Amino acid sequence: EADIYQTPRYLVIGTGKKITLECSQTMGHDKMYWYQQDPGMELHLIHYSYGVNSTEKGDLSSESTVSRIRTEHFPLTLESARPSHTSQYLCASGTSHLPLHFGNGTRLTVT
Amino acid sequence: EDQVTQSPEALRLQEGESSSLNCSYTVSGLRGLFWYRQDPGKGPEFLFTLYSAGEEKEKERLKATLTKKESFLHITAPKPEDSATYLCAVQGSNTGNQFYFGTGTSLTVIP
Repeated sequence: EADIYQTPRYLVIGTGKKITLECSQTMGHDKMYWYQQDPGMELHLIHYSYGVNSTEKGDLSSESTVSRIRTEHFPLTLESARPSHTSQYLCASGTSHLPLHFGNGTRLTVT
Repeated sequence: EDQVTQSPEALRLQEGESSSLNCSYTVSGLRGLFWYRQDPGKGPEFLFTLYSAGEEKEKERLKATLTKKESFLHITAPKPEDSATYLCAVQGSNTGNQFYFGTGTSLTVIP
């Protein structure tokens, strides 16, 4: 059973809407990550955090923001969804000495 | 730049037919090489971490090995339940806590 939880699992939304993808972990990990995954492609890092009040942008340019107010919570917000945002979004957590632990993802479709 | 290439993209095996998946990597100062299994609609599930050339790890029908330039995931006498996408990732010392993923190998084991 995964100790990192993502909601919703599936989301279909219209263009221009603001959405927030939730991610919570119960393992006390200091590092958290958001990845985007498309079929047949490698995982692309969108945002990451090394601790509370610490966030950085990853390699993938994205019109999204994150916050890390609590250790266990790392939500991803899209201010204005576009069809190009249609993808699978994976949240992960870890520490310096452990591999990443992933949630089961949010499948987002923007119409 | 750190890079990971996995081959083949897809592999179909008969049940019991052993084979190997390849992960070639370029990284500045390897901190770790990771193998994950991903089932459809789910997040990647951690399998192994390898830290230095010559290291080997085993779990049931899976065995991971590491050289200075590549890693192999050997599957011995696979079963249909081994069908999944297998992802390889590296973490380099020059990129801090960043992980670089390959595009994966989609394995299908036919009964």
